[in-house]
Amino acid sequence: GESVGLHLPTLSVQEGDNSIINCAYSNSASDYFIWYKQESGKGPQFIIDIRSNMDKRQGQRVTVLLNKTVKHLSLQIAATQPGDSAVYFCAEIEGYSTLTFGKGTMLLVSP
Amino acid sequence: GAVVSQHPSRVICKSGTSVKIECRSLDFQATTMFWYRQFPKKSLMLMATSNEGSKATYEQGVEKDKFLINHASLTLSTLTVTSAHPEDSSFYICSARRTSGAQETQYFGPGTRLLVL
Repeated sequence: GESVGLHLPTLSVQEGDNSIINCAYSNSASDYFIWYKQESGKGPQFIIDIRSNMDKRQGQRVTVLLNKTVKHLSLQIAATQPGDSAVYFCAEIEGYSTLTFGKGTMLLVSP
Repeated sequence: GAVVSQHPSRVICKSGTSVKIECRSLDFQATTMFWYRQFPKKSLMLMATSNEGSKATYEQGVEKDKFLINHASLTLSTLTVTSAHPEDSSFYICSARRTSGAQETQYFGPGTRLLVL
């Protein structure tokens, strides 16, 4: 069951700052990684993905970095805006298996 | 990006009734869809993998007779919560796997909030 009082890790930033959200993954055989953004009451929204043969991928205002040595994934958001406030989940997948989601980080952007 | 819809977005039902949730991929065909459950401030928990034309694959601990899944076409999967109880109240999210060449990506629906009284 759910633990009372358990909260998601939270990152609070000021509008205009750059944000870095980190994720440690568990399966060294995972070969595909995705970052999702989930706003309150909505389903996860695809942000950016990266394959294990890459260590960096850039999108619009977002960059994903992959360090396979330490099984670490990060999402960098440039010039963070209040509309970026949401919960961010990393997800990993090995081959054609199912997605495994991380625990999530709540990003709070204050104006 | 690809669009996945869910219906209804919210449903309130009495204990003991059954509720059906639809998941549709609107602009692509999906042989595989997934059903997740999410509790407040928690990550998504995979319930089952829905395969078009065959039986769903359930995760450990998920009752297949409780959560009936039907994937009758390449664009529609349904989840029926049978004899719902208050503990079934949750946010249910589906996703559809889109394949483009060698690339596979999952796109999520907006979720369905179920409240069982």
